[in-house]
Amino acid sequence: GESVGLHLPTLSVQEGDNSIINCAYSNSASDYFIWYKQESGKGPQFIIDIRSNMDKRQGQRVTVLLNKTVKHLSLQIAATQPGDSAVYFCAENKNTGFQKLVFGTGTRLLVSP
Amino acid sequence: ETGVTQTPRHLVMGMTNKKSLKCEQHLGHNAMYWYKQSAKKPLELMFVYNFKEQTENNSVPSRFSPECPNSSHLFLHLHTLQPEDSALYLCASSLSTGQGDEQYFGPGTRLTVT
Repeated sequence: GESVGLHLPTLSVQEGDNSIINCAYSNSASDYFIWYKQESGKGPQFIIDIRSNMDKRQGQRVTVLLNKTVKHLSLQIAATQPGDSAVYFCAENKNTGFQKLVFGTGTRLLVSP
Repeated sequence: ETGVTQTPRHLVMGMTNKKSLKCEQHLGHNAMYWYKQSAKKPLELMFVYNFKEQTENNSVPSRFSPECPNSSHLFLHLHTLQPEDSALYLCASSLSTGQGDEQYFGPGTRLTVT
């Protein structure tokens, strides 16, 4: 399930560090954003979402920040663990009321023990 | 496991073959999706079905033909494909096509066209 062949930005961190993965989205009309995690051999898995009327949302060990002014989204992972190693995608959805997700290219997170 | 299964997991086919990919969801969802994940592009939406009706065709070539006989099953029929169609084909489902309904992905079928 990897985006093999794509030149993915890679973030390498040590176990226990905090990770920040960034995403620039394209459409100012997008009002719903999702972060997905894709491990090798698997499909993408939902992590956290945020609507455009919020600028921050927290989950378990993860926080998503939304800056609509510069069309930027970030995912913060606290106390990163080796099991967090994966490709992370952001996806945006235009304000249409139904799902038609547009995905970013992804960032590969490598966590070393 | 996500509750979405895909078969086969790997498929090699020639350009003149006809094959089908199968997706099944055990989540009681009403919406199903086909995505293409290739080496050169981000994950791309291909088709959306809601209550067995196709609601989105994202300008997909006619050599890809989807079929949704019921809300639990989705097929992608393939014929006369090109080498550039080699990719990971992912199926997903969600409760509805409404924004905010989480999509659950299957593990994908790795397709190689020779």
